[in-house]
Amino acid sequence: AQSVTQPDIHITVSEGASLELRCNYSYGATPYLFWYVQSPGQGLQLLLKYFSGDTLVQGIKGFEAEFKRSQSSFNLRKPSVHWSDAAEYFCAVGAGVGGADGLTFGKGTHLIIQP
Amino acid sequence: DTAVSQTPKYLVTQMGNDKSIKCEQNLGHDTMYWYKQDSKKFLKIMFSYNNKELIINETVPNRFSPKSPDKAHLNLHINSLELGDSAVYFCASSQQGVGELFFGEGSRLTVL
Repeated sequence: AQSVTQPDIHITVSEGASLELRCNYSYGATPYLFWYVQSPGQGLQLLLKYFSGDTLVQGIKGFEAEFKRSQSSFNLRKPSVHWSDAAEYFCAVGAGVGGADGLTFGKGTHLIIQP
Repeated sequence: DTAVSQTPKYLVTQMGNDKSIKCEQNLGHDTMYWYKQDSKKFLKIMFSYNNKELIINETVPNRFSPKSPDKAHLNLHINSLELGDSAVYFCASSQQGVGELFFGEGSRLTVL
């Protein structure tokens, strides 16, 4: 069965600083990987996804992620965070073709932005 | 127009009661899901339907029964509510083979 580990429960970053959120996955086949963001009281919004091809994927809101098969990682990055980026971030791995059999989520990383 | 909509957004009820949460998607997707998010924000899949057929049924008590009258709707009925059922329930949809989930805003259930 697939699993996702997000080792950091909370991360605090100063506004304007760079950000990296870690994600490690376990899956026996080609992984379909996703990053979602959840603002307080809201549903989850897709930031970016990796299915195949270029291992560096660009997403919305200036986020990017890099797939590293050798490290089973899919870390999320942003060069300069804004106060509006404060939210919960979830990494997920999809089962089945394209993840169509449902996603398994990590426990999330809570991002706090310091002024 | 909201892509995935859930009602109600908030639900407060007593132990032992029965309640339902409704979900509708207007994206034309053929697969719909229910996820449960606990107080620690952990998201766990409960059910998945593809074209009204149950595909995924995780280890969930029998008190939870999903119903899909058509591929645009997936409702969740919960019998004999318990304190541990308190959570946020998210409906989501996707197009088969694509994988990306579109989530509703969640329904926060509080059982007293």
